[in-house]
Amino acid sequence: DTGVSQDPRHKITKRGQNVTFRCDPISEHNRLYWYRQTLGQGPEFLTYFQNEAQLEKSRLLSDRFSAERPKGSFSTLEIQRTEQGDSAMYLCASSQTSGGKGDEQFFGPGTRLTVL
Amino acid sequence: QKEVEQDPGPLSVPEGAIVSLNCTYSNSAFQYFMWYRQYSRKGPELLMYTYSSGNKEDGRFTAQVDKSSKYISLFIRDSQPSDSATYLCAMDAGNMLTFGGGTRLMVKP
Repeated sequence: DTGVSQDPRHKITKRGQNVTFRCDPISEHNRLYWYRQTLGQGPEFLTYFQNEAQLEKSRLLSDRFSAERPKGSFSTLEIQRTEQGDSAMYLCASSQTSGGKGDEQFFGPGTRLTVL
Repeated sequence: QKEVEQDPGPLSVPEGAIVSLNCTYSNSAFQYFMWYRQYSRKGPELLMYTYSSGNKEDGRFTAQVDKSSKYISLFIRDSQPSDSATYLCAMDAGNMLTFGGGTRLMVKP
């Protein structure tokens, strides 16, 4: 399967704990995005990388959130001191930039986080 | 007011019906328009991607964009029970996507 993969698929944690999620994009894609989706809502943009550079961050991404994409391959999203409001589906997407045109973003299956 | 508005439904139709799903938007900077299908507890799956105003057809799906009215539509012909899912419209001004809230569709046999 050459699609976007995410690990773990489900994570249950206690409030105050740190969690880390991993995303492996489609291999030739240079852009990688993180979104968050709560029940009954559409995904909301968090941040994106072009190769290893983090180019944009949403104001939704508080100081407790950090994302990395070392070497421009896989990415990790870490949430420190989790809160119950962090419970959501965390989605990763990847795309290949096409000379100024909009990108077709392909999503992974998501990591569902539950904070108790 | 949200940048992208989408009726949450649920929309219930009989098998074989033509389904019309719609979104309106307020940001004139949006240039690229997408429709995603999302099954329960799964990631969104890209269905249609359009750039200009007009229609784009792919099998049973037709995407329509009217930039002057800031209105986009997705039509599904000969709907099947397997089409039952949440349909998300998404718009791109060049970097990240802005999504509607999704419309839940149920196609009954």
